[in-house]
Amino acid sequence: TQLLEQSPQFLSIQEGENLTVYCNSSSVFSSLQWYRQEPGEGPVLLVTVVTGGEVKKLKRLTFQFGDARKDSSLHITAAQPGDTGLYLCAGVGRDDKIIFGKGTRLHILP
Amino acid sequence: KAGVTQTPRYLIKTRGQQVTLSCSPISGHRSVSWYQQTPGQGLQFLFEYFSETQRNKGNFPGRFSGRQFSNSRSEMNVSTLELGDSALYLCASSLGQMANNYGYTFGSGTRLTVV
Repeated sequence: TQLLEQSPQFLSIQEGENLTVYCNSSSVFSSLQWYRQEPGEGPVLLVTVVTGGEVKKLKRLTFQFGDARKDSSLHITAAQPGDTGLYLCAGVGRDDKIIFGKGTRLHILP
Repeated sequence: KAGVTQTPRYLIKTRGQQVTLSCSPISGHRSVSWYQQTPGQGLQFLFEYFSETQRNKGNFPGRFSGRQFSNSRSEMNVSTLELGDSALYLCASSLGQMANNYGYTFGSGTRLTVV
């Protein structure tokens, strides 16, 4: 069974600080997606990374796909209260099935 | 353009009853996937429909079923409801099969509470 482990599960930091959340697996994925979910809403796609070693930037968010395509990280620079939410990674694995991690719940304190 | 629309937003049902949830995907999206989200298990894949055919299925009992119509709208049905079926049910549409490199567009979900 392919699994995606996200860490940390919870993170509460002050506005302006930097942070990194991780998404790890022992399995190889053909691509990996990151989503953010706010309370009462469905997840919203932030980025898809496809190539091992790929780095994508979305304003203050930097996403990296591991060289072996087994892991990924999301780095947020100068976090803002609007970054608060549940961050989910999802890997496209065998048989094109998409596996979601359980998420990192991020809270930015003003 | 309109997003993914799920109805109803909230539902309270009694154990043993059945329920039908509806999802209208983004216009032009032919793939619709359903997920169950709970605090303990996260997002669990239920099934995916593409052009009216079930293409993939998760590890849920037969009480969970779905279908897709010719206009790509989808419904999922849960029969003989159990307390453990209480969850947020999310529908996601994508341009390609199983999202792959396109990613999903999710609806806001249906919050089902079984009492």
